[in-house]
Amino acid sequence: NAGVTQTPKFQVLKTGQSMTLQCAQDMNHNSMYWYRQDPGMGLRLIYYSASEGTTDKGEVPNGYNVSRLNKREFSLRLESAAPSQTSVYFCASSRDRLGEQYFGPGTRLTVT
Amino acid sequence: AQTVTQSQPEMSVQEAETVTLSCTYDTSESDYYLFWYKQPPSRQMILVIRQEAYKQQNATENRFSVNFQKAAKSFSLKISDSQLGDAAMYFCAWVPSYGKLTFGQGTILTVHP
Repeated sequence: NAGVTQTPKFQVLKTGQSMTLQCAQDMNHNSMYWYRQDPGMGLRLIYYSASEGTTDKGEVPNGYNVSRLNKREFSLRLESAAPSQTSVYFCASSRDRLGEQYFGPGTRLTVT
Repeated sequence: AQTVTQSQPEMSVQEAETVTLSCTYDTSESDYYLFWYKQPPSRQMILVIRQEAYKQQNATENRFSVNFQKAAKSFSLKISDSQLGDAAMYFCAWVPSYGKLTFGQGTILTVHP
């Protein structure tokens, strides 16, 4: 039982490049989330998926897209990376919208 | 806008002593949940304790307990018998019935031996 896994752990991109962050959970959770964490700030919600087949914007969705591929997997895509997207990205899942969220180990992304 | 405020950017405590971390939130919702998460240097987010707003009784988990004051919109975390392993960033978080979790800015806790 791995919980929530994220790949990659580290990534460096040049401005304008694209990439997809992968997230998978093996807890049969319905809801999944993507957050970013910047220095001196708490986690901010980018997008979430309350259930398979649905996605909704969070607090800071601009510059990102998501795909809930199936119940297990929820990916985050940066189409044209910008230096302002340098951050640590966390994926999380929960049984339902109000349940305890379990977090992945995070991806440190640097955009130069 | 729904906000969560942690007014203490940093706190410190001596090992075996007690420390309280503050959190206030602003909402017009009546049905919601509150959480404290711990983030050690490993960066892993770990749930410490959870409180349902409809419950009057304060939640406790071993050495961790909360003081939930619904009318005052206050949700503080008390850590008793502090241990070196408690050193971390602590985040207060709030989620309403429609399910968007909002985090506070965090409090860095240092534990001195």
